[in-house]
Amino acid sequence: KQEVTQIPAALSVPEGENLVLNCSFTDSAIYNLQWFRQDPGKGLTSLLLIQSSQREQTSGRLNASLDKSSGRSTLYIAASQPGDSATYLCAAKGNNTGTASKLTFGTGTRLQVTL
Amino acid sequence: DADVTQTPRNRITKTGKRIMLECSQTKGHDRMYWYRQDPGLGLRLIYYSFDVKDINKGEISDGYSVSRQAQAKFSLSLESAIPNQTALYFCATSDAGEVQPQHFGDGTRLSIL
Repeated sequence: KQEVTQIPAALSVPEGENLVLNCSFTDSAIYNLQWFRQDPGKGLTSLLLIQSSQREQTSGRLNASLDKSSGRSTLYIAASQPGDSATYLCAAKGNNTGTASKLTFGTGTRLQVTL
Repeated sequence: DADVTQTPRNRITKTGKRIMLECSQTKGHDRMYWYRQDPGLGLRLIYYSFDVKDINKGEISDGYSVSRQAQAKFSLSLESAIPNQTALYFCATSDAGEVQPQHFGDGTRLSIL
């Protein structure tokens, strides 16, 4: 059974700092890994999706990497801003018989960027 | 995602009541999903559907049922609500194909007293 872990659970950084959020998964048989942002009282906004054949994806100040062999993904946020404050979730889509088509989510990292 | 609409946004009800949560989408996606989110547990899949005639159980389907009335609509029912079904419920959609991302609605906060 796939398990996804995100460390740390919460993080507070001053504005302007570069930061890395970590995501690890136990089953490397995945189609892709997706990073989401969740604001309080809101749904999930998809940030980046990395296919299993890719090493990284970039969108603006965000860069996500994937290392299937070690079961790890990282989300790098450059020059953080107060508007980046939110909970960040990663989710792995399995490609085994028991996990096909299913996203397994981590519990998220709650990020606060202070002035 | 404004293209995935969930109703109601908030609901408070009593134990034993029947409740229906509705999801509609304008993205034209074939696949639709229902998740629940609990503090400390992350999102867990309840049911999913790949087209109008297809219904599949997810990780935690007990106590829930679904109906895919049309490509654009996927409803979740709690036949007899119990307090431990208090949670934040999300609907999601995706295009066919395993490489496609999922797009989420804003959620329904359900409280069962």
